[in-house]
Amino acid sequence: DIVMTQTPSSQAVSAGEKVTMSCKSSQSLLYSGDQKNYLAWYQQKPGQSPKLLIYLASTRESGVPDRFIGSGSGTDFTLTISSVQAEDLADYYCQQHYSYPFTFGSGTKLEIK
Amino acid sequence: EVQLVESGGGLVQPGRSLKLSCAASGFTFSNYGMAWVRQTPTKGLEWVASISTGGGNTYYRDSVKGRFTISRDNAKNTQYLQMDSLRSEDTATYYCARRGDGYTYHYFDYWGQGVMVTVSS
Repeated sequence: DIVMTQTPSSQAVSAGEKVTMSCKSSQSLLYSGDQKNYLAWYQQKPGQSPKLLIYLASTRESGVPDRFIGSGSGTDFTLTISSVQAEDLADYYCQQHYSYPFTFGSGTKLEIK
Repeated sequence: EVQLVESGGGLVQPGRSLKLSCAASGFTFSNYGMAWVRQTPTKGLEWVASISTGGGNTYYRDSVKGRFTISRDNAKNTQYLQMDSLRSEDTATYYCARRGDGYTYHYFDYWGQGVMVTVSS
């Protein structure tokens, strides 16, 4: 199974600040057939279901604010929130959609100071 | 508006069975692969099973293979998860999820509200 490791486990930032969180996979998620990285990012607010933010490492889902930016390739990926808003308080998870069984990271909890 | 509504959760004894349903609306159900994902405070998010658009292809995580069966009824816009021989470690919130692009990639663009399954004597 591909192991997904997210760091940090929690992070506290002030509104307006930039935040980055990391996701590393135990195997490359770059598929040679199409040169795309099979990684997704989700946001889960308290008491809610996960919401898709980013897929294929850097493609923003429709309706997701452009302050959410996905980057990286191979085994190292980053989710950046360029200017954190109060409503971004949530847990953030990465998921590899490269091979079965699809696996998730353990999450980064974002707290707003 | 896309909606996925799970039902069928509850408290069940170890070794017994439970069947979850997920009613879909707001999109052409038969054009999308579907999945079940579960979540616990200790293990986090775990993909459980997936099913192709027509139902002919199914995939499972090893820990549920042979015990869980995913299925769908495109005429009823509903997918199911039959869970047999339940174990305490199956206790979780189960989410119904839609494959984002239909059938090529395995990310999930819509999730249900989740249904709680508790396996305990």
